[in-house]
Amino acid sequence: NAGVTQTPKFQVLKTGQSMTLQCAQDMNHEYMSWYRQDPGMGLRLIHYSVGAGITDQGEVPNGYNVSRSTTEDFPLRLLSAAPSQTSVYFCASSFTSGGINSPLHFGNGTRLTVT
Amino acid sequence: LAKTTQPISMDSYEGQEVNITCSHNNIATNDYITWYQQFPSQGPRFIIQGYKTKVTNEVASLFIPADRKSSTLSLPRVSLSDTAVYYCLVGRTSSGGSYIPTFGRGTSLIVHP
Repeated sequence: NAGVTQTPKFQVLKTGQSMTLQCAQDMNHEYMSWYRQDPGMGLRLIHYSVGAGITDQGEVPNGYNVSRSTTEDFPLRLLSAAPSQTSVYFCASSFTSGGINSPLHFGNGTRLTVT
Repeated sequence: LAKTTQPISMDSYEGQEVNITCSHNNIATNDYITWYQQFPSQGPRFIIQGYKTKVTNEVASLFIPADRKSSTLSLPRVSLSDTAVYYCLVGRTSSGGSYIPTFGRGTSLIVHP
């Protein structure tokens, strides 16, 4: 049982490049989400999914796309990277969106730098 | 949207009890209060969750007064390894009615020798 696995751990992009941050969980969780964490800003919700085929926007969705074709995977796509997207990205999952008796499980993060 | 307010930082010493208070004046009737802990270079991890009165587990205690407009996370006899950022969360409802966890800036606790 690996929990939530994020890849890569580190990534450097040039402005305008695209990439996909991978997130996979093996706990059969319905809810998955992406956060970004910047110094002094806490975690801000980018996108989330309450089940396969269902996604919705969080607080800071601009510049990011997601899809949820399977229960296990929830990739985050940057179509045209910008320096403002330099951040640490965390993926999280839970049985029912982190509510009652359903805490979030986080991955160890992807540190992205856009130059 | 139930907004939470926590102190930005706190300092303590090994062996002391630490209490971190979170204000959530707009908490809804069905909202639960959840606390997470985040160590440097790691994702947050769940500590404790409660609805009212007191909840205790092997890591911490959570005190919630009757009006539920605040909550206090209590860490007994902290050690250097308790140095971390602590987040207080209160649920919000999306358009579909789901509870969507929203994090604030958290409280940075530094435990000194």
